[in-house]
Amino acid sequence: SQQGEEDPQALSIQEGENATMNCSYKTSINNLQWYRQNSGRGLVHLILIRSNEREKHSGRLRVTLDTSKKSSSLLITASRAADTASYFCVTRDTGTASKLTFGTGTRLQVTL
Amino acid sequence: DVKVTQSSRYLVKRTGEKVFLECVQDMDHENMFWYRQDPGLGLRLIYFSYDVKMKEKGDIPEGYSVSREKKERFSLILESASTNQTSMYLCASSLVQGDGYTFGSGTRLTVV
Repeated sequence: SQQGEEDPQALSIQEGENATMNCSYKTSINNLQWYRQNSGRGLVHLILIRSNEREKHSGRLRVTLDTSKKSSSLLITASRAADTASYFCVTRDTGTASKLTFGTGTRLQVTL
Repeated sequence: DVKVTQSSRYLVKRTGEKVFLECVQDMDHENMFWYRQDPGLGLRLIYFSYDVKMKEKGDIPEGYSVSREKKERFSLILESASTNQTSMYLCASSLVQGDGYTFGSGTRLTVV
């Protein structure tokens, strides 16, 4: 069953611009993670934010979490062509020790 | 660099064949997972294992089985391949249950 729903489904921006992707989920979570997937490859873990955190940074990435609205956003600043990929919001629900639930992803295209 | 290695990038098998997908990790992780990824459906969990010889069903275990005889190796078995099992198969591992996963590059399986 899917939990996170990413918005938009596809996003096209120019190099140097910022990209914002949003995620909504339905149940209580322990943590929320974002992954990147380049075309036809495996997923790469980007960042994890726990339910008691509101914001987290990693390099050009900024993630926010609003548990009252059950939503998260991923901001990529100063985007590069190499950021072109699909981005997935992934939740770990409370009460599920090991199972993560994946959304269907946002397809980001960064053009020169 | 830590790694999850899937034995094949592309595989073509005939209907009814028994298919083995192998996954090996070199990070001494307890937890390993098998997902399949299909357009519009995202990633769906097939099976996972949190210890040697232990296995748990995921969301879509039907038609699949798994084997974990050694900590570093987690095998997915399609007992009798069918065309609806044509998909991208992704193996992952994690140190802490429910935290960041490390994924392999994926195996694109086509059943004809």
